[in-house]
This record gives sequence, C-alpha cells and structure tokens, in this order.
Amino acid sequence: DAGVIQSPRHEVTEMGQEVTLRCKPISGHDYLFWYRQTMMRGLELLIYFNNNVPIDDSGMPEDRFSAKMPNASFSTLKIQPSEPRDSAVYFCASSLGQGARGYTFGSGTRLTVV
Amino acid sequence: SQKIEQNSEALNIQEGKTATLTCNYTNYSPAYLQWYRQDPGRGPVFLLLIRENEKEKRKERLKVTFDTTLKQSLFHITASQPADSATYLCALDDSNTGKLIFGQGTTLQVKP
Repeated sequence: DAGVIQSPRHEVTEMGQEVTLRCKPISGHDYLFWYRQTMMRGLELLIYFNNNVPIDDSGMPEDRFSAKMPNASFSTLKIQPSEPRDSAVYFCASSLGQGARGYTFGSGTRLTVV
Repeated sequence: SQKIEQNSEALNIQEGKTATLTCNYTNYSPAYLQWYRQDPGRGPVFLLLIRENEKEKRKERLKVTFDTTLKQSLFHITASQPADSATYLCALDDSNTGKLIFGQGTTLQVKP
C-alpha cells in the first residue's frame, strides 16, 4: 500500500480564493481524520469520519471550512473563502478502528494564503 | 482545563546515550497513550501504543512507560543514534470525545 496520499503537497493562494485539499486513505481503513498543524497550536483535529460518515466536526474553525467523504477512498477539505490565518500544514490520517492501533498520516499539504 | 505537556525545549544528547522524553497530562483519563515521530516536512509516524493497564512497553531500542497516578508517560530511546533526531509527539485518547489529542512535541537532537 502506498500509504495515505495527500494532494497537493504545497498550495499558495490569494486571500478570498477557494482551496480544496485532497486525501486518499489506506484501503480498508474505516476512520479518516483531518488535522491542522501550526507552530503556535500544534496538531489540532478538525473533523473525522467513520465509514464515510462525519462523526465530529467540532474542531472545524469556521463555516468557511467544510469536509466531505463521498466514498471510502477519497476525502476533501475545502476552505472558502481562504484567509491568511488559514496558513498551516493540513494532514489527513486514517486508521483501522478509532486509534488503538495508531494512525497513518499522509505527508501533508502546506497551505500559504497571501 | 485539559492539557498535554511535552518539554518545548529541544533535547540534545550524545550518540550512544539514552534519550528520555516526558509527556504529562491534566484532566484526561486516557485508555491509551501513543508516541509518534515526526521529521521535518513529513507527517507523524506511529511508534508505540501503551494502554492504561500496562506499565511498560518495549519495541527494539524504544521503551515507553505509563503512570496513570502521576499522569505521565516517559519515552526512552536507548543507544541513541543521529538518525533518531526528530520531533517526538505524544497523543492520548480523550475518553469523553473519542478524539486523539496531541502534545506539541519535543525535538531530539543526537550528536555524533
């Protein structure tokens, strides 16, 4: 398995533009997580899915953020409109079960909003 | 308030020595605690999980302890090597929400 695949690796966009981040989890994993990492706040959980269903989105900072998982092999995190304070590294992770066996993280998308 | 604390200062040690990293938590009752390694520009990589009823877990040169009375986990790397240089994150499950909550990480630098 190629692991969790995220795209793009880097994204630079102007304030106000829509940004879409993509994730392909490990085949067979039933949980998918979106985290954001910044120097100030570390790794923060934004939202997670179980069997493609959103379970907890309480970490999503604002209505500008939305996430979908249309099938077991694909998820998106969308920011519309983007703001400079959204600049961070966004990680997708997947796991078999809720985490008692560890999460597998992707390489992340570094987002810069100018 | 709930907190997970790892030493924010980098830990610098000499090759061959044992590195010990600390993770303390407040106002959580985790069923398990995990340790991850993160290299620059990469995602965290899962290393070890220890459950609340386990005092110690080992994997090759790694050893993790978990003291639920002290609310602390220690992560040891024996016979450290320069290749062990990275940031190490602890994470615990929030039993109220089921979420995995991460500490800020401690950067380890092993000098040859």
